[in-house]
Amino acid sequence: EDKVVQSPLSLVVHEGDTVTLNCSYEVTNFRSLLWYKQEKKAPTFLFMLTSSGIEKKSGRLSSILDKKELFSILNITATQTGDSAIYLCAYFNTNAGKSTFGDGTTLTVKP
Amino acid sequence: NAGVMQNPRHLVRRRGQEARLRCSPMKGHSHVYWYRQLPEEGLKFMVYLQKENIIDESGMPKERFSAEFPKEGPSILRIQQVVRGDSAAYFCASSYDRMNTEAFFGQGTRLTVV
Repeated sequence: EDKVVQSPLSLVVHEGDTVTLNCSYEVTNFRSLLWYKQEKKAPTFLFMLTSSGIEKKSGRLSSILDKKELFSILNITATQTGDSAIYLCAYFNTNAGKSTFGDGTTLTVKP
Repeated sequence: NAGVMQNPRHLVRRRGQEARLRCSPMKGHSHVYWYRQLPEEGLKFMVYLQKENIIDESGMPKERFSAEFPKEGPSILRIQQVVRGDSAAYFCASSYDRMNTEAFFGQGTRLTVV
């Protein structure tokens, strides 16, 4: 059965800290790995990763995929209180045409 | 171009009643996915539909739950005889085609069963 595991489940940091969120997966028919940010509403898309070793960047957020070791990381530098959210990792199964999500990492950034 | 629209945003039902959740996909999208998010958990896939077809319902409980996506109108997720354990946020996402991995999510319907 396809599986996506995120760690840690929760994380509390102070503003200015750098955090690394982990996502490992065991899947068939891998097409891409996706990261979402979820506050008190619908998940919003952050990154889609399909190629190993290529870093995607958006401001203070960046993510990279390792297809050999089957994991991805999401980095957030100089964290702000507005980064507090649940970060969800998902993989997209080509054959099934659907995404399977991990349980998420709850990030709390304290002032 | 309006995003994915879900309604109602909040729904309260007594045990044993029916809950009907609606999802209008983004314009031009014919693929709809329903996810359930229990408190303190991630999103769990329920069902994947195309217009008038259920493609994959492997994540949907076999009893009391059903989904449809008619030729005209929104996709409907129906939960009959709701129980307390059905209380959750139900999210709908849509995409242009099955290879489009960037699905867009609606704001969700928060179902509370009392």
